[in-house]
Amino acid sequence: GAVVSQHPSWVICKSGTSVKIECRSLDFQATTMFWYRQFPKQSLMLMATSNEGSKATYEQGVEKDKFLINHASLTLSTLTVTSAHPEDSSFYICSAGGTSGLLEQFFGPGTRLTVL
Amino acid sequence: AQSVAQPEDQVNVAEGNPLTVKCTYSVSGNPYLFWYVQYPNRGLQFLLKYITGDNLVKGSYGFEAEFNKSQTSFHLKKPSALVSDSALYFCAVRDGLGTDKLIFGTGTRLQVFP
Repeated sequence: GAVVSQHPSWVICKSGTSVKIECRSLDFQATTMFWYRQFPKQSLMLMATSNEGSKATYEQGVEKDKFLINHASLTLSTLTVTSAHPEDSSFYICSAGGTSGLLEQFFGPGTRLTVL
Repeated sequence: AQSVAQPEDQVNVAEGNPLTVKCTYSVSGNPYLFWYVQYPNRGLQFLLKYITGDNLVKGSYGFEAEFNKSQTSFHLKKPSALVSDSALYFCAVRDGLGTDKLIFGTGTRLQVFP
């Protein structure tokens, strides 16, 4: 149980294009989803917290107009990197929480974004 | 503010030997502590958590962690390491009451040698 999927697992795009990453909770309803960014050999940096049906809460320093987050249902959240640039290249990981009685988050497998 | 520290960037251990990955925390109030493991190019997998109760918490894959309030530590342990345990390990603490946010440590790379 508590499986989270991400799609795509990797993507390569040209500078200036937008990329959408999907995060799905497959066997539970996630009231809260989190988006992280991870640079090589570094820890996870929380980008934003999204709650179903409401606007995402962004961490300080994260541009909300560049990283659009939509949490349209209890099983799906999307992160859109708009007008991507090479410095946006990173490993993006989502997680889901809020399952009844559990405090841990369940993580997706991650999406490797490379912007040329 | 809540925080966790992982003082070791890397831990090396021979297969079959016991392993310990260290974590210390700083919180206001009762700590909710977690350990996750990350394999290359993968997301994080939940290993175990401490919320309340017994100080020794048992988790997945034979791992356990000992909560020590006086030393504000939550070290991850395993009696006998496997080569397949080689991965990146993260300690995390919940960022206070009323939030599901986690604060992660910087990670410790565990290398188990055959």
